[in-house]
Amino acid sequence: QQQVKQSPQSLIVQKGGISIINCAYENTAFDYFPWYQQFPGKGPALLIAIRPDVSEKKEGRFTISFNKSAKQFSLHIMDSQPGDSATYFCAASIWQGAQKLVFGQGTRLTINP
Amino acid sequence: EPEVTQTPSHQVTQMGQEVILRCVPISNHLYFYWYRQILGQKVEFLVSFYNNEISEKSEIFDDQFSVERPDGSNFTLKIRSTKLEDSAMYFCASRSAAYEQYFGPGTRLTVT
Repeated sequence: QQQVKQSPQSLIVQKGGISIINCAYENTAFDYFPWYQQFPGKGPALLIAIRPDVSEKKEGRFTISFNKSAKQFSLHIMDSQPGDSATYFCAASIWQGAQKLVFGQGTRLTINP
Repeated sequence: EPEVTQTPSHQVTQMGQEVILRCVPISNHLYFYWYRQILGQKVEFLVSFYNNEISEKSEIFDDQFSVERPDGSNFTLKIRSTKLEDSAMYFCASRSAAYEQYFGPGTRLTVT
């Protein structure tokens, strides 16, 4: 019940295209859903996060879509650039208290020039 | 921009030895965390720390692990007797007032 399932494992997108990564969760107590970007040899960097009171959040080229009834959320990267090539992790937690993050398995994104 | 720092960047140790991984969280943050990432796998929660005590820990965080905030700036993870399976990247994180967790660059622990 604590799992967050992420797909696909890897994704190749042409420059300028839209990258879409999906996550699903089981625990209905989760109410905070961040996305992290990780470059090789670096720590995860917070990209964007959403809480379930909204169905979509946009920051620049990055958008989170959230479907509470389906217990799914996704990251869309518009106009994907080679510099976006990285591993992306979705995560989920309970907003209050310790807020331990439960991470998905990660998606290795490659943007071809 | 403030950031979480970690030392050392890489630690090699022999099985059975004790290691201490060090972190300096962002200064006005109050919640601190340790996570680990085995090569090629997902990031896993180990422990959270608030008000000088553990607030939550995972099943991975057994008696071989301990955390401490020895002074006003450092946050440490100690592994008392390392095993081969402890080899991983260990990340420290701290949480802002806006409930956002910021991760350090990690310490790669190699147990031989």
